[in-house]
Amino acid sequence: AQTVTQSQPEMSVQEAETVTLSCTYDTSESDYYLFWYKQPPSRQMILVIRQEAYKQQNATENRFSVNFQKAAKSFSLKISDSQLGDAAMYFCAYFSPLNTGNQFYFGTGTSLTVIP
Amino acid sequence: ETGVTQTPRHLVMGMTNKKSLKCEQHLGHNAMYWYKQSAKKPLELMFVYNFKEQTENNSVPSRFSPECPNSSHLFLHLHTLQPEDSALYLCASSQVVGLRYFGEGSWLTVV
Repeated sequence: AQTVTQSQPEMSVQEAETVTLSCTYDTSESDYYLFWYKQPPSRQMILVIRQEAYKQQNATENRFSVNFQKAAKSFSLKISDSQLGDAAMYFCAYFSPLNTGNQFYFGTGTSLTVIP
Repeated sequence: ETGVTQTPRHLVMGMTNKKSLKCEQHLGHNAMYWYKQSAKKPLELMFVYNFKEQTENNSVPSRFSPECPNSSHLFLHLHTLQPEDSALYLCASSQVVGLRYFGEGSWLTVV
């Protein structure tokens, strides 16, 4: 079974600094996607960044980038130049089109605090 | 605005009440989902609908009853709930195989 593990329940970062959130996953599938979702206090889950497993290049979206280590099954999120609006819960998620259940697997989340 | 709207945003109900949560998506997706989010736990998938047909029920108690009248609307009917059912209920939609787009969630408190 696929599992997604976020080992950091809480993290904090100084405004304008850089923070890295960790995520590891377990799968035997060859074709899959990894995502980072942000859930601010408003509670709406917002997609931050996605990575296709077949792509070797790490995905980047403005201040957000990932470090995708396929062999190690690691998918960390780096937030550069942290802003107050980045404070939220961050969820790592896994999806494989090869999974007949069309199942998304989420980690337990990391609560990020941004210190002014 | 992700195109998935949930109402009500907050709901308080007694254990003998009957209420419903509503979800509407304006993205032309074919699949809709109900998730339960409790503190300190991963999101729990409850139900999946593809093209209005229920394709997955993750051992959800019968006091939760989903309804999907069309590809754009999804309901979660609630009756005789328990206090431990208090949680954030998230609706999502996607193409049949693809990225989930989430609504803002409905906070449910059972008293």
